Amino acid sequence: DLTQDPAVSVALGQTVRITCQGDYLRSYHASWYQQKPGQAPVLIVYGENNRPSGVPDRFSGSSSGNTASLTITGAQAEDEADYYCNSRDSSGWSFGGGTKLTVL
Amino acid sequence: QLQLQESGPGLVKPSETLSLTCVVSGASISTDSYYWGWVRQSPGKGLEWIGNVYYSGSTFYSPSLKSRLTISVDTSKNHFSLKLTSVTAADTAVYYCARVAAYCSGGRCFESDHWSQGTLVTVSS
Repeated sequence: DLTQDPAVSVALGQTVRITCQGDYLRSYHASWYQQKPGQAPVLIVYGENNRPSGVPDRFSGSSSGNTASLTITGAQAEDEADYYCNSRDSSGWSFGGGTKLTVL
Repeated sequence: QLQLQESGPGLVKPSETLSLTCVVSGASISTDSYYWGWVRQSPGKGLEWIGNVYYSGSTFYSPSLKSRLTISVDTSKNHFSLKLTSVTAADTAVYYCARVAAYCSGGRCFESDHWSQGTLVTVSS
């Protein structure tokens, strides 16, 4: 299982960290997805700290022990969305419960 | 450009079987670099992993759905399919198909890098 805070808020232009905890994060990197209302999830960070083409460099990933983090440096209004972590585990794959990010 | 597109009924009756197919275009499904997977999202809820299939036919299933679930692949048609039996209202969700990296090395680690737009399946009589 992967555990995320249900909701986080950040002031426009400030930095925010969204975390994801799970035992298998000690073995596998998490991937992170952004989902806006009515849209499919979009991969934004994967591996040690990689971004698909087109994802702004204000999004970054890190990991320590059983916790993976997604950091948004200089949050923009368009970053308001749900964010999900995802990783392999003993049963296959799992998603965190999601974090709703509000940009104030 | 890789695209995934689901097809299948949008309405299924309780106790019947939900069947969806995901057609892959722009890439071959017969690659050892990727799995092909299904994820669903109940209304107002988070993402739930359903299962993945490899081009060889080997599968990974969610433990909570395993007894009702079959995921298969047809390499000749470049598509993969999901069948979920004995559905209830709890299976009402938007169903997505996705491409999933099959390894954790070289900068990649089992991420889902391409997703379909999603299709709503409602279970109701």
